[in-house]
Amino acid sequence: DAGITQSPRHKVTETGTPVTLRCHQTENHRYMYWYRQDPGHGLRLIHYSYGVKDTDKGEVSDGYSVSRSKTEDFLLTLESATSSQTSVYFCAISEQQGIGNTIYFGEGSWLTVV
Amino acid sequence: DQQVKQNSPSLSVQEGRISILNCDYTNSMFDYFLWYKKYPAEGPTFLISISSIKDKNEDGRFTVFLNKSAKHLSLHIVPSQPGDSAVYFCAASDPSNTGKLIFGQGTTLQVKP
Repeated sequence: DAGITQSPRHKVTETGTPVTLRCHQTENHRYMYWYRQDPGHGLRLIHYSYGVKDTDKGEVSDGYSVSRSKTEDFLLTLESATSSQTSVYFCAISEQQGIGNTIYFGEGSWLTVV
Repeated sequence: DQQVKQNSPSLSVQEGRISILNCDYTNSMFDYFLWYKKYPAEGPTFLISISSIKDKNEDGRFTVFLNKSAKHLSLHIVPSQPGDSAVYFCAASDPSNTGKLIFGQGTTLQVKP
């Protein structure tokens, strides 16, 4: 198993509150990603990082921000949670880019916004 | 605009038979494809991949076929086992070389004993 730990694994929060999900890796991989999984949509990229302090937006980045102050940690923040952000969030890591690149996923964080 | 599509949300096969999962893509610049398997309450796990210089890659019971002219790939599982019951995601590596993967919607495979 890839050394990826997500926390919290489950959370229920109220609309309008900020929420931070944490991803911690022990593989020293350069690239880190946050995806969300929703029925009918598969896995969609929220934000990704290609190094410490280097991040960029994915296809569903609105309402989310990220930070990466250390190689091993990648934080996803929902600035003001909405019901549409109820989802399963997966952190992923990879060592390289391009052909041969394999992304490894964490076990997921289940978030419910009520 | 869905660049990677899995048009069959579900598939049911009998144990021992072949399972064929299909995936279509629209971007001709995609040159590396992967299949992931996901059990409930777990993260997706890498299954098998193929680069565009090949048309077939095999790993045990799993074979992926790539038809570049049709922009189509398929995953064959032979023989299918009940433990193969899971959601299967097709993914393409973003050609911008950011390491990003673009996923299809997933196909739920049920293998009946």
